[in-house]
Amino acid sequence: AQKITQTQPGMFVQEKEAVTLDCTYDTSDPSYGLFWYKQPSSGEMIFLIYQGSYDQQNATEGRYSLNFQKARKSANLVISASQLGDSAMYFCAMREEAFSGGGADGLTFGKGTHLIIQP
Amino acid sequence: GAVVSQHPSRVICKSGTSVKIECRSLDFQATTMFWYRQFPKQSLMLMATSNEGSKATYEQGVEKDKFLINHASLTLSTLTVTSAHPEDSSFYICSATKGERGGPTDTQYFGPGTRLTVL
Repeated sequence: AQKITQTQPGMFVQEKEAVTLDCTYDTSDPSYGLFWYKQPSSGEMIFLIYQGSYDQQNATEGRYSLNFQKARKSANLVISASQLGDSAMYFCAMREEAFSGGGADGLTFGKGTHLIIQP
Repeated sequence: GAVVSQHPSRVICKSGTSVKIECRSLDFQATTMFWYRQFPKQSLMLMATSNEGSKATYEQGVEKDKFLINHASLTLSTLTVTSAHPEDSSFYICSATKGERGGPTDTQYFGPGTRLTVL
């Protein structure tokens, strides 16, 4: 089973509208972190927002907010007042608690959503 | 800040040659660095985890003798693709974390990526 599922391969949204990008995850670890990254056509991965599994409140960073529903294992990204520059690939990722030798674990990424903002 | 650089940004090489890619954390010490690979229109896949002063941990299916990783200092990790073949052509991205324990809350900051083309 996939650990991170993004069900929207592509989305078209009108400029200034709010956007919700879906992400569900699967883990049995009680401690984990959820991340959203933006990847424009240049290829760089831009960190947007983070949510910890024990965080009581939903994370917010400027126009980005994360709708974290732990019981449903869902971590949707909401972008308010979309802009043309928001057009990019968006990846949801998870990092689980590291149990092996004190080292950190890498991220598991979803397949991404290609968001296109239309004027 | 948390800036990660990669060099080179693009490389074209002949089949059978080796290519070295550098990943540097510019303004912080990275206890752990990660190497990912991204094929066109696909997600990022973790290749290996690199801890300073110790051997890298490779993900299942990644040949450690083909993808040599050296994490010589807290600010530099290198990935060497040995005896490269056309199927190794991909976008290679590194990331680095700041945290001492590198737990699930530790944000990964990504480099700009290296596009490798093997002829």
